[in-house]
Amino acid sequence: AQKVTQAQTEISVVEKEDVTLDCVYETRDTTYYLFWYKQPPSGELVFLIRRNSFDEQNEISGRYSWNFQKSTSSFNFTITASQVVDSAVYFCALSGGAGGTSYGKLTFGQGTILTVHP
Amino acid sequence: NAGVTQTPKFRILKIGQSMTLQCTQDMNHNYMYWYRQDPGMGLKLIYYSVGAGITDKGEVPNGYNVSRSTTEDFPLRLELAAPSQTSVYFCASSYSGFYTEAFFGQGTRLTVV
Repeated sequence: AQKVTQAQTEISVVEKEDVTLDCVYETRDTTYYLFWYKQPPSGELVFLIRRNSFDEQNEISGRYSWNFQKSTSSFNFTITASQVVDSAVYFCALSGGAGGTSYGKLTFGQGTILTVHP
Repeated sequence: NAGVTQTPKFRILKIGQSMTLQCTQDMNHNYMYWYRQDPGMGLKLIYYSVGAGITDKGEVPNGYNVSRSTTEDFPLRLELAAPSQTSVYFCASSYSGFYTEAFFGQGTRLTVV
């Protein structure tokens, strides 16, 4: 069975602070994909990043960066110089299965509520 | 480009009533999904479909039914609504079903009273 754990239920920071959201996953699959989604107060889910299990390179996109470490089964997300607009619920998700047998079914973590204060 | 469209956005049902949540996508995706999101929880998969005429159960299918007669539409049917079905429901679709991201609808907030 697959499992995704986001141990931080809520994080509160002041604008311009850096913040890291933790994600730890469990899977027996050798091929899998990890995702981060953002859910702003309006409620929709917005895709942020996808990473496959064979690519452990870190990625940076503007103020966002992601650290994938297979050795610790972690896929952490850092926001640099946070802004009020970053306030949202952030979900880490996992899709696994060799040959695409997962059919894209996502296992989600519980989500981390990030509040950025001005 | 509309993406994934869900209707209605909000609905209040009485216990025992039935309803259908509509979902349509215009991206020609074969893979479609229904998730529910309970307060403080992540999303859980209810049903999914890998193409027209093919559906299968997810993690929490009890009390729901689906059909997929066309590539575009994937309605979710609630029979005999119960308070435990109070939740936010999300429909999603994806191109490949594995290595591509899922696109989500705006969600339907359902309350059963």
